Amino acid sequence: SQKIEQNSEALNIQEGKTATLTCNYTNYSPAYLQWYRQDPGRGPVFLLLIRENEKEKRKERLKVTFDTTLKQSLFHITASQPADSATYLCALGSPWQAGTALIFGKGTTLSVSS
Amino acid sequence: SAVISQKPSRDICQRGTSLTIQCQVDSQVTMMFWYRQQPGQSLTLIATANQGSEATYESGFVIDKFPISRPNLTFSTLTVSNMSPEDSSIYLCSPRTLGETQYFGPGTRLLVL
Repeated sequence: SQKIEQNSEALNIQEGKTATLTCNYTNYSPAYLQWYRQDPGRGPVFLLLIRENEKEKRKERLKVTFDTTLKQSLFHITASQPADSATYLCALGSPWQAGTALIFGKGTTLSVSS
Repeated sequence: SAVISQKPSRDICQRGTSLTIQCQVDSQVTMMFWYRQQPGQSLTLIATANQGSEATYESGFVIDKFPISRPNLTFSTLTVSNMSPEDSSIYLCSPRTLGETQYFGPGTRLLVL
């Protein structure tokens, strides 16, 4: 069955450092991968999408890489701030199956201390 | 992106009772996903609801426990029936849009005592 692993349940870093979160998957060939942010008691909020033919995508302080050979995505937050503290979820999707919902990992909870 | 609202935002319920969660979207969508997120766990898809037809349930979820209504293209409800403490979760609706991104409602946080 399809499996997604975000290899750290929790990550603690100092303000100003770069946070790197990992998402690995097996038994799946996603057409794209997405990263979401989720604050406690709230629904996930979309951050970035990267397609299978893209190696890297950037948005402000965020950078995502996607290696379909390794079946892995890395999510980087540069110059991290305490406001970046949240749980970050990776999700896989395939537009080729109509009506397919995203499959989510458990998430990594990031804590940025000042 | 769609504007999605859910009611109630949170509730505390007694075991054996039922709760109906409402999801309202500001645009018409053909498909609505309902997810559950148990404490410390990932989002798990409960069912996919189309307007005018019965919902399709994922493995481990049944209609008697989680009946869904989809009376029109902007509204859906999920009922959690005969609740037990194991049903304590965040319940999220997510409209299926034409794009690849999924948007989520703010969630309903349910605690069953």
